[in-house]
Amino acid sequence: NAGVTQTPKFRILKIGQSMTLQCAQDMNHNYMYWYRQDPGMGLKLIYYSVGAGITDKGEVPNGYNVSRSTTEDFPLRLELAAPSQTSVYFCASSPGRQGPLHFGNGTRLTVT
Amino acid sequence: KNEVEQSPQNLTAQEGEFITINCSYSVGISALHWLQQHPGGGIVSLFMLSSGKKKHGRLIATINIQEKHSSLHITASHPRDSAVYICAVPNFGNEKLTFGTGTRLTIIP
Repeated sequence: NAGVTQTPKFRILKIGQSMTLQCAQDMNHNYMYWYRQDPGMGLKLIYYSVGAGITDKGEVPNGYNVSRSTTEDFPLRLELAAPSQTSVYFCASSPGRQGPLHFGNGTRLTVT
Repeated sequence: KNEVEQSPQNLTAQEGEFITINCSYSVGISALHWLQQHPGGGIVSLFMLSSGKKKHGRLIATINIQEKHSSLHITASHPRDSAVYICAVPNFGNEKLTFGTGTRLTIIP
């Protein structure tokens, strides 16, 4: 069982570069989420999706974009990377609004 | 937005001790999540509960909806239980969760 797969595990970006964090799940979950985790802080929701073709902003969406063309994939795009985007990013999925969460292993991103 | 407070922030205990981690929230909810974040960073869902008590192995989660409070207990604690434990609650009427900042648990052999 692959569950939720995130790539890459680590990445270093220069200021102004862009990149896409990949997230895929094989559990046929409708709900998918992107969170960021900063040191000493709780997970913050960046974007979420309740199904293919539907996305919505979370608490901290500025500087990010998402798409959900299939049930399985939910990539997160960083345009014009900034040092404030240095963080650990987690993708998660859930079968429904009140379902248990399944997390990917995270991507540690450093912007210098 | 639902506010979440966890206590203690840090907890160090000897192997075998009974552990209690607390979570309080401000707005009534339908369900609460307990998560475990390993030292390597991975996050695992432990429990999702809406009332009463759930047990899985040495872990027990309880919730009191009226008091807006949940506890996570670990019996016969072991060094492998060392992790950060996080509670999360939904905001009313939407899919967004508010996460606590976590309790860092260290079990000393």
